[in-house]
Amino acid sequence: ETGVTQTPRHLVMGMTNKKSLKCEQHLGHNAMYWYKQSAKKPLELMFVYSLEERVENNSVPSRFSPECPNSSHLFLHLHTLQPEDSALYLCASSQVLVKKKRVTEAFFGQGTRLTVV
Amino acid sequence: AQKITQTQPGMFVQEKEAVTLDCTYDTSDPSYGLFWYKQPSSGEMIFLIYQGSYDQQNATEGRYSLNFQKARKSANLVISASQLGDSAMYFCAMREGETSGSRLTFGEGTQLTVNP
Repeated sequence: ETGVTQTPRHLVMGMTNKKSLKCEQHLGHNAMYWYKQSAKKPLELMFVYSLEERVENNSVPSRFSPECPNSSHLFLHLHTLQPEDSALYLCASSQVLVKKKRVTEAFFGQGTRLTVV
Repeated sequence: AQKITQTQPGMFVQEKEAVTLDCTYDTSDPSYGLFWYKQPSSGEMIFLIYQGSYDQQNATEGRYSLNFQKARKSANLVISASQLGDSAMYFCAMREGETSGSRLTFGEGTQLTVNP
């Protein structure tokens, strides 16, 4: 079992649908991230949750809505998406060492390949 | 300005030879970390190696080593004794500062192909 698990692996949805991406980490980490990887573009950070609080939201359209119910689970709720939102969505986790003021390397899931039709 | 630059969109190497993947970075923060990730066609980003800005020695992990030249702001990945399974996209990334939840900024990647 991998440390970070994402479901589903593939998703095709219409522009009027509502769907959710799920991420679960089994590493005991306290920070989780959503990244978007579009063709021929660098990974783009979308959201950061640290110690279950959203600490970063990089001007992501409101049709993307994250949820972090606990330190092990992260969701990305999708509604009324556009075709240009088709991409690989990667979830990652890392450990924030508050006292040492360090963040460990991020471990990624295998991603959800999203196609909006 | 781009914070992470990978100038090689594609690289080819013969099996069992060494290859260097280039990465330059730009930051004014004195505390930062540099990472290399491998992404095979399956999509998962696999962590390979980490170099902290205050680390005195170059990082090594098995066949991977990081040629860290701080003054030149470069952090090249060296893969020794290439294997067919090394064929993948390789991404250089940087984390600036040590604040909680700090972000990773990625380069555009280098597609490595190992030929038999």
